[in-house]
Amino acid sequence: AQSVTQLGSHVSVSEGALVLLRCNYSSSVPPYLFWYVQYPNQGLQLLLKYTSAATLVKGINGFEAEFKKSETSFHLTKPSAHMSDAAEYFCAVSLPNNAGNMLTFGGGTRLMVKP
Amino acid sequence: NAGVTQTPKFQVLKTGQSMTLQCAQDMNHEYMSWYRQDPGMGLRLIHYSVGAGITDQGEVPNGYNVSRSTTEDFPLRLLSAAPSQTSVYFCASSYRLTTEAFFGQGTRLTVV
Repeated sequence: AQSVTQLGSHVSVSEGALVLLRCNYSSSVPPYLFWYVQYPNQGLQLLLKYTSAATLVKGINGFEAEFKKSETSFHLTKPSAHMSDAAEYFCAVSLPNNAGNMLTFGGGTRLMVKP
Repeated sequence: NAGVTQTPKFQVLKTGQSMTLQCAQDMNHEYMSWYRQDPGMGLRLIHYSVGAGITDQGEVPNGYNVSRSTTEDFPLRLLSAAPSQTSVYFCASSYRLTTEAFFGQGTRLTVV
């Protein structure tokens, strides 16, 4: 079975500062990895995904994440935070060729951006 | 573009009542799933379907039933509501397991 751990349930940064949201996974086989964003009172929207191609993945709104197999990590970064980035972010994992296993989510990290 | 549509958006139930949360998608996706979102726990899978007529249990299936008679619809039934089922429920669909999952806007359910 796979699992996801997001370090830090709340992260606060200043506008213009680097955003770093941490995600570590546990999986018996190389997984597929996703980052989703949730704005208040809305559903989840895909930011980016890793499915065994390039290890550095670029997503929407200037976010990117790097898959590091040796560290079992998939941290999300953005060079310069914007006020509109304030939201909750979820890391998720699924296993290839395993139709019986849908997405497994981490506990989420709420990003706050200070002016 | 409708995408994934959930109804209702809000619901208050009394303990012991039953109800059905509706989910419909217009993207012809094979995969559909239901999650519940609770603070600090992320989203947990309740039930999922890999096609019409095929459903299976996820991580937290107790107290919930599903069926998938058509590709488009995947309703979630609460048989006898309990306060522990107070949560926000999300329906999602995807074309394949490795492709983007599209989420509905959620149903906020309170059981009193």
